[in-house]
Amino acid sequence: GEDVEQSLFLSVREGDSSVINCTYTDSSSTYLYWYKQEPGAGLQLLTYIFSNMDMKQDQRLTVLLNKKDKHLSLRIADTQTGDSAIYFCAESDSGYSTLTFGKGTMLLVSP
Amino acid sequence: DAGVIQSPRHEVTEMGQEVTLRCKPISGHDYLFWYRQTMMRGLELLIYFNNNVPIDDSGMPEDRFSAKMPNASFSTLKIQPSEPRDSAVYFCASILWGSTDTQYFGPGTRLTVL
Repeated sequence: GEDVEQSLFLSVREGDSSVINCTYTDSSSTYLYWYKQEPGAGLQLLTYIFSNMDMKQDQRLTVLLNKKDKHLSLRIADTQTGDSAIYFCAESDSGYSTLTFGKGTMLLVSP
Repeated sequence: DAGVIQSPRHEVTEMGQEVTLRCKPISGHDYLFWYRQTMMRGLELLIYFNNNVPIDDSGMPEDRFSAKMPNASFSTLKIQPSEPRDSAVYFCASILWGSTDTQYFGPGTRLTVL
């Protein structure tokens, strides 16, 4: 079945850039997502990218997709303490119906 | 809209007891999903409904788990009997199929089975 892998933890200093990486196995993935989960809350969509794109930028967020290597990354510029959360990578091969999630990367931003 | 509403937010029960988790999706959404989140297994899709009809329940771990959606504005996930390994955070999410939107998640129910 489909599998999505992420590193479990990332620690950065405030003001630095953060890069969270994700790999997936399903070659038919059409949509790839990044979700953010703050403590005690549900998942909130940050951004998404279609598989026919290489890059997407949205304010401080940059998503890079290497479809050949099945590698997705999320870069957060000028990381703030409020960015501390768990970030989930997810993929779908059938639109927005079913998602396969990674286990999440905990981002800790220190002052 | 208030978003996806889940209740209770926290549930503590003893092994063997029946547990019912509740979800109210966003009005107008036609897909509803139930997920379970644990440290070990991450986020797992348990079941999802389209127009109140269960479409795929292959993620439901055992017969002890059941889910219903009697109408477009309400769904339940029931565990009977509950076991300590069912302790997790259970999320409900909804979406309007065909929209350019994404799944909206509720705040989750943290279940602890002692």
